[in-house]
Amino acid sequence: EVQLVESGGGLVQPGGSLRLSCAASGFPFSSYWMAWVRQTPGKGLEWVANIKQDGSEKNYVDSVKGRFTISRDNAKTSLYLQMNSLRAEDTAIYYCTRDSRSTDFWGQGTRVTVSS
Amino acid sequence: DIQMTQSRSSLSASVGDRVTITCRASQSISSYLNWYQQKPGKAPKLLINVVSSLQSGVPSRFSGSGSGTDFTLIISTLQPDDFATYYCQQSYKIPWTFGQGTKVEVK
Repeated sequence: EVQLVESGGGLVQPGGSLRLSCAASGFPFSSYWMAWVRQTPGKGLEWVANIKQDGSEKNYVDSVKGRFTISRDNAKTSLYLQMNSLRAEDTAIYYCTRDSRSTDFWGQGTRVTVSS
Repeated sequence: DIQMTQSRSSLSASVGDRVTITCRASQSISSYLNWYQQKPGKAPKLLINVVSSLQSGVPSRFSGSGSGTDFTLIISTLQPDDFATYYCQQSYKIPWTFGQGTKVEVK
């Protein structure tokens, strides 16, 4: 059974940093692109970033470029999202997802709140 | 970025109804169109990818069609479990983008 379990969310002040983690199991992690998708009541679902199987290629939505970094550790079957210079508009539920050009598996999400 | 527009943010329907949800892309996305279902407090679930390919375990009352810029999700006979929000997504060009969602509510 595919499982994606996020952790690391929480309350952070504007300008602060947070690192999200995702533990993956139940599938050959190193064979798949992985991605982060976030959801807010206002903007709905927003694809944030994805990363190739070996980490050699990464893509980001413009709104997070230069602030967020996606990474992975295939030995630990884990996906990460380092979020710096956080803004109020980054407040959202962040989902770890398997990116097969459709998002075929999603974690339960971790909530990030950026507020003073 | 490619904009995905779902014409209705909500619709009211009854069990047994045929429900049609539409999605339009701001440019041609070939067949790279996916549909998701989301229930309150849960992550979205992939129903259909590449326009019409039903995911394993998804009931056959769900179907998808379209090409280019205009796409449709049909629920042939609405069941109680189908009241949810449905999103389309293009995976033709990064960044992948989603429609704003169509909430299917009880009439």
